[in-house]
Amino acid sequence: QKEVEQDPGPLSVPEGAIVSLNCTYSNSAFQYFMWYRQYSRKGPELLMYTYSSGNKEDGRFTAQVDKSSKYISLFIRDSQPSDSATYLCAMTRSNFGNEKLTFGTGTRLTIIP
Amino acid sequence: GAGVSQSPSNKVTEKGKDVELRCDPISGHTALYWYRQSLGQGLEFLIYFQGNSAPDKSGLPSDRFSAERTGGSVSTLTIQRTQQEDSAVYLCASSPPMGAGGSGGEQFFGPGTRLTVL
Repeated sequence: QKEVEQDPGPLSVPEGAIVSLNCTYSNSAFQYFMWYRQYSRKGPELLMYTYSSGNKEDGRFTAQVDKSSKYISLFIRDSQPSDSATYLCAMTRSNFGNEKLTFGTGTRLTIIP
Repeated sequence: GAGVSQSPSNKVTEKGKDVELRCDPISGHTALYWYRQSLGQGLEFLIYFQGNSAPDKSGLPSDRFSAERTGGSVSTLTIQRTQQEDSAVYLCASSPPMGAGGSGGEQFFGPGTRLTVL
């Protein structure tokens, strides 16, 4: 069993819809949680990061972490065609920069105009 | 400023040949990571360099894989006697020193090298 599980999709939603992306994990030592966005033929770019449990909002994006359930989510409001990409969750035990990231497999998202 | 660059962008090789993949991190970044992205597998950690410390090689899948980082900057990932299962996108990332501001240790990724072993 992988340390981080993520539904690979693909997921297609109409423009303007709310998108929910999720990951579960098994290692309770994970403390820092990230969402990366990866466009086709590009490297991943950091979208959001959170520490421990709680919510964090940035524009149309909201990240949630529930450590008791070992479950993290990314919500995208008012989705746009430009949001079409693969979304990868990632996590680490220590403050990232000192340690490798453990990634989910990524969810491929398509926003239909 | 310039981001992480990788070369070549694409590499096609024959089974059994050796390949070298290059990564140029962002200037001033002290940490450098190599990951491998295979279809349906997500990103898998390979190796991590931090300053002058001994690298963390715990993710290298076999002794055919090796990496070095010269002068604390450029890194080369070498795969000897390539196999078809080595076909993947190899991604390099770098991160600034802790406390450098912003997201601190955020990992910045290059565009990757797409390796195809025939």
